[in-house]
Amino acid sequence: GENVEQHPSTLSVQEGDSAVIKCTYSDSASNYFPWYKQELGKGPQLIIDIRSNVGEKKDQRIAVTLNKTAKHFSLHITETQPEDSAVYFCAAVGTDKLIFGTGTRLQVFP
Amino acid sequence: EPEVTQTPSHQVTQMGQEVILRCVPISNHLYFYWYRQILGQKVEFLVSFYNNEISEKSEIFDDQFSVERPDGSNFTLKIRSTKLEDSAMYFCASEGSGEQFFGPGTRLTVL
Repeated sequence: GENVEQHPSTLSVQEGDSAVIKCTYSDSASNYFPWYKQELGKGPQLIIDIRSNVGEKKDQRIAVTLNKTAKHFSLHITETQPEDSAVYFCAAVGTDKLIFGTGTRLQVFP
Repeated sequence: EPEVTQTPSHQVTQMGQEVILRCVPISNHLYFYWYRQILGQKVEFLVSFYNNEISEKSEIFDDQFSVERPDGSNFTLKIRSTKLEDSAMYFCASEGSGEQFFGPGTRLTVL
């Protein structure tokens, strides 16, 4: 079945450093790749997404890259801040349902 | 900014009891979803709903589960006879322009 792998499971960085989270997916029909941020006790919040017809998308400090050939996509957060601390999930969509990665707990230390 | 809302925020029930989790999707969205997240694990798809019928469901969504859109605003998930392993966060999502927006979730605790 469809599967999304996500690494690392935990990531600790100093404030101001960059953070990179990587995902791979198995279904070559997947064409939409959102990233969600989940803070404690809250639902996942969409922070950025990318569709299969582009290789990179940027929104201020957040960027996402997609390599369809290798079935890889990555989230890049630059100039991290303590409020970026949360669990981040990648996801892939082939039909209409989201298949989530296993999550990355990001901690940004001041 | 419109958002998905869910009630209750926390539901505690005895094993074997029925529960109904409620969601109000964003008003102009047409696709609705339920997902589940067991504590510390990833979010898992349960069911998608479009045009008043289920469009896809996962193997988790067995005969104990049902969904309904009883009126123009609410979207409900019913678990007929809860089991201990149903304890989880349940998230409703609605989709517009290809993006899914999640509600804050209902924490279901089955004792």
